[in-house]
Amino acid sequence: DAGITQSPRHKVTETGTPVTLRCHQTENHRYMYWYRQDPGHGLRLIHYSYGVKDTDKGEVSDGYSVSRSKTEDFLLTLESATSSQTSVYFCAISGGGTVGNTIYFGEGSWLTVV
Amino acid sequence: QKEVEQDPGPLSVPEGAIVSLNCTYSNSAFQYFMWYRQYSRKGPELLMYTYSSGNKEDGRFTAQVDKSSKYISLFIRDSQPSDSATYLCAMSETGGTSYGKLTFGQGTILTVHP
Repeated sequence: DAGITQSPRHKVTETGTPVTLRCHQTENHRYMYWYRQDPGHGLRLIHYSYGVKDTDKGEVSDGYSVSRSKTEDFLLTLESATSSQTSVYFCAISGGGTVGNTIYFGEGSWLTVV
Repeated sequence: QKEVEQDPGPLSVPEGAIVSLNCTYSNSAFQYFMWYRQYSRKGPELLMYTYSSGNKEDGRFTAQVDKSSKYISLFIRDSQPSDSATYLCAMSETGGTSYGKLTFGQGTILTVHP
């Protein structure tokens, strides 16, 4: 268990509503990531963070924003949810450096936009 | 063309068989290679991690990397029904915030039947 908690684990929301997913880690790792997983596409990086208040875009960042005000928390926000954002969202963490150069994933958040 | 190609399968084998899973990639900047196992409705779990060409063995699992051919493999010996899962290859470039910016294959669905 890599000490990653995602919430909520399941959510159904309506098109146009804002949604925030939370990732909480207890490992004090520097790097945190949000991925989405869709059939035929595997996992794709949405946004990542390399420190408090330091974030950057990934491969599929359109329609998403993130915030990291504390080391342990990384929030993913869908400002106005669309059906194309129906997906499984995974948070991941890594410590960076040689020893910590492995990435651990949370259990996922299933989001359905109707 | 995707940066990482992985045959999605599905692959079905009898218990005890040797399983070979493969990925090819086009980005020569990839230096770190990982294999993840993902059970249904769970997060990916790191199985093997390597950063050099050649073989790395861990129990029944062997990861093989051929950087000259841009080809990686995962071999599972004496496969068990508990190995039934989706196997994802993943790769990243070296250094700094590139850590954790993984590029995944689509995943191969493996079923090991008794």
